[in-house]
Amino acid sequence: DTGVSQNPRHKITKRGQNVTFRCDPISEHNRLYWYRQTLGQGPEFLTYFQNEAQLEKSRLLSDRFSAERPKGSFSTLEIQRTEQGDSAMYLCASSLAGGGDEQFFGPGTRLTVL
Amino acid sequence: GENVEQHPSTLSVQEGDSAVIKCTYSDSASNYFPWYKQELGKRPQLIIDIRSNVGEKKDQRIAVTLNKTAKHFSLHITETQPEDSAVYFCAASKGYSTLTFGKGTMLLVSP
Repeated sequence: DTGVSQNPRHKITKRGQNVTFRCDPISEHNRLYWYRQTLGQGPEFLTYFQNEAQLEKSRLLSDRFSAERPKGSFSTLEIQRTEQGDSAMYLCASSLAGGGDEQFFGPGTRLTVL
Repeated sequence: GENVEQHPSTLSVQEGDSAVIKCTYSDSASNYFPWYKQELGKRPQLIIDIRSNVGEKKDQRIAVTLNKTAKHFSLHITETQPEDSAVYFCAASKGYSTLTFGKGTMLLVSP
């Protein structure tokens, strides 16, 4: 499969626990984005990497959220001390710099915080 | 920052009719406007996009128009089919950057 992949697909956790999600972009794509989507809403931007550099973070992103892309390939998104309001679908997308603006989305990780 | 408004939130049409979804954006520097289709439980998929140097783009039954002066763009689907039923999102960006999405339109095409 040459598309964007995300793991796990579903995560159920208790409030206060830490969770980590992984995104594997399309192999030649150097840009990687994280979005959050809640029911009935459009995806909301969280953060964006070009290669290993984190170029932009949403002002809405709590300090409990951190993202890395250490080798410019896969990325991880960690949420510390989860809250019920963190329950959402976390989507990853990738694109190719200089190849147009199209962002290809992964299937998402659905997080439920109990 | 950018703000994208999308209307209507729900749209019901009969098979074969046309459907139109409208979006407005606030940042005049935005220059890339994609439309995504999201079926229940699936990932958003790009169906068409338009850049600010173009006023209209068409791909078979789907077309998008852009009015830069008014800062609005629209999705037109002709000869709708039941498989067009999904949630459609418009988005805007300043190119090679993050997308700001509208809240979505649930399109229901009845046979």
